[in-house]
Amino acid sequence: SQKIEQNSEALNIQEGKTATLTCNYTNYSPAYLQWYRQDPGRGPVFLLLIRENEKEKRKERLKVTFDTTLKQSLFHITASQPADSATYLCAPPSDKLIFGTGTRLQVFP
Amino acid sequence: GAGVSQSPSNKVTEKGKDVELRCDPISGHTALYWYRQSLGQGLEFLIYFQGNSAPDKSGLPSDRFSAERTGGSVSTLTIQRTQQEDSAVYLCASTQGTSGRTQFFGPGTRLTVL
Repeated sequence: SQKIEQNSEALNIQEGKTATLTCNYTNYSPAYLQWYRQDPGRGPVFLLLIRENEKEKRKERLKVTFDTTLKQSLFHITASQPADSATYLCAPPSDKLIFGTGTRLQVFP
Repeated sequence: GAGVSQSPSNKVTEKGKDVELRCDPISGHTALYWYRQSLGQGLEFLIYFQGNSAPDKSGLPSDRFSAERTGGSVSTLTIQRTQQEDSAVYLCASTQGTSGRTQFFGPGTRLTVL
């Protein structure tokens, strides 16, 4: 069955370092992937969309890659800050926009 | 409006009571979604409206849950005879155009069933 998986364990990094989050998919060839940020008690907020024919997309300190060979998307936050602490969700194209549980990022000062 | 709004922001009810949750999508957005999120869990799809098409109700967990969308805009999610396991944050999202595109979420309604 089609599956989107993110590392459910929290990622803890020090301020200033680059955070890298992974989204893997199986039995699936999504035309694009979306990344969202969710803070506790709030709805997800859209960050970036990357299409299958785009290797990389950037927005300020954020960078997303899409490797259709590895069936993987990586989400990078460079020069991370404590304010980047949140849960980051990967979502494939779908009427129901099925999200995984996401990966919780904690940036320590 | 500028964004998706939901009301109430918090709702505490007693087991067995009915509740109604409201969502005002972004003006002009044709698609509207309801999700719920239990503490520490991922988003669970409930129902999806697209234009005048019949809604996709495949995510509704039981027949106690229903939703309607009037005039292609405001939506109401109704939970009848609430149970404690219905306690969660209920999130509404809207999107412009075809499904699967970027969704804009409201702030959610936190429902607590005592």
